[in-house]
This record gives sequence, C-alpha cells and structure tokens, in this order.
Amino acid sequence: AQKITQTQPGMFVQEKEAVTLDCTYDTSDPSYGLFWYKQPSSGEMIFLIYQGSYDQQNATEGRYSLNFQKARKSANLVISASQLGDSAMYFCAMRGGRLTGGGNKLTFGTGTQLKVEL
Amino acid sequence: DTGVSQDPRHKITKRGQNVTFRCDPISEHNRLYWYRQTLGQGPEFLTYFQNEAQLEKSRLLSDRFSAERPKGSFSTLEIQRTEQGDSAMYLCASSSIGGVGSGNTIYFGEGSWLTVV
Repeated sequence: AQKITQTQPGMFVQEKEAVTLDCTYDTSDPSYGLFWYKQPSSGEMIFLIYQGSYDQQNATEGRYSLNFQKARKSANLVISASQLGDSAMYFCAMRGGRLTGGGNKLTFGTGTQLKVEL
Repeated sequence: DTGVSQDPRHKITKRGQNVTFRCDPISEHNRLYWYRQTLGQGPEFLTYFQNEAQLEKSRLLSDRFSAERPKGSFSTLEIQRTEQGDSAMYLCASSSIGGVGSGNTIYFGEGSWLTVV
C-alpha cells in the first residue's frame, strides 16, 4: 500500500519569502514518482513539479523546487519568493510501480492550505 | 484551450436522480482518470481508461457508478440514484502512456461539483 502524509494543515508566509511544505511518503515499490499540485479555490488541480525515485538531482521548475530525501522518504516542496497568487491548497501525490499496483493512479495527501500575506 | 475540460462545472440534483458528467481529455492522451474529492480531503482514485478499455476500478466505485469511454476520446461518468453522500467534486485527468519513472504528468480538469439535496 502507498501512503502520503502532509502534516501541515495550514501555513502562512509573507510575500517574497520562501516557504517549505512538508510531504512524507510510504511505499514498498522501488520505482515511484512524486508530484505536487496546486489547487486554488476554483478547484482545478494544477501540476507544479515531478520527481522520479531514480532521479539523481532534485527537481526544479521556476520558483518551485522539490527537496527529495529518499532515505527519509520525504519530498518537500519549496516555493521561493512567495506571491499573493500562491495562496491555495497544495497536494503532494505519489504514483507507485507495479509492485504495489499503483502504477496508474495517484495517491494524494490531505493537503496544506497556504496563505501568502503582505 | 487544449487542457482537460469537464462539463457541467456545477450540478445540483435531488436525491434519487441520475447525473452524468463528461470529460474531454487532452487530445493526444491515451489514459483518462476519474477522481472524487470531498471537502478537506485529497482526491481519491475512482477508475481509469487506457484508450477505450477500462483497466482499473476502485472499490469506491459502487454499482451505481458507471464510466465509459466509447471511442477512446471523451469519457462520461454516470451516477444513478444519487445519494447525499455522493456530493463531492469529480475530477477528470489525462496522461500519455509511460512508465512510472517516465514522469508522464497527469493533468487535471477543473472538476465537476455535485450537490445532492
């Protein structure tokens, strides 16, 4: 079975500051992928960043970077230079491999509500 | 707009009525997924298609739920005899075929909100 844990139900950050959203995962699959999505109040799930379990380097996409620590089974999202438009719910998700039958679906955490303040 | 589109965006229905949601995936994507999201929770997997074949169904998908993708393009999700517990957002997503490590991103639509009164 696969599990994603997001322990921060809510986070506040000041505009232009960096913020880290925590995500830990559990899987017995050696091959898996980790995703972060942003969900504004409109409901759409917006893809932010992806990290493969065999990727040697941490993923980066613009102001987003993923702090991947495989031994600790953590995949924290770092948002640099926060903007007011970053206020949203953020979900960490995992797609597992054939071993756990998770290869074709995402397992999501419960999300972190981020509020960016002036 | 070349993203995943869903229709309707909002639906209010009386308990016991049937509802149908439609999803148009990104055109070159072979895989199509349905998820359900309730308030305060992350999305939960319901089912997925590869082309027109429905390859996996979650235990969440009771007999009252049926999904189709007749020509491997758009998909419909029908809920029969709706119950108040069906109130949720139904998200559709699509991706191209590829292994776990390929990074094939799963792109979501804006969701269809269902309220059963």
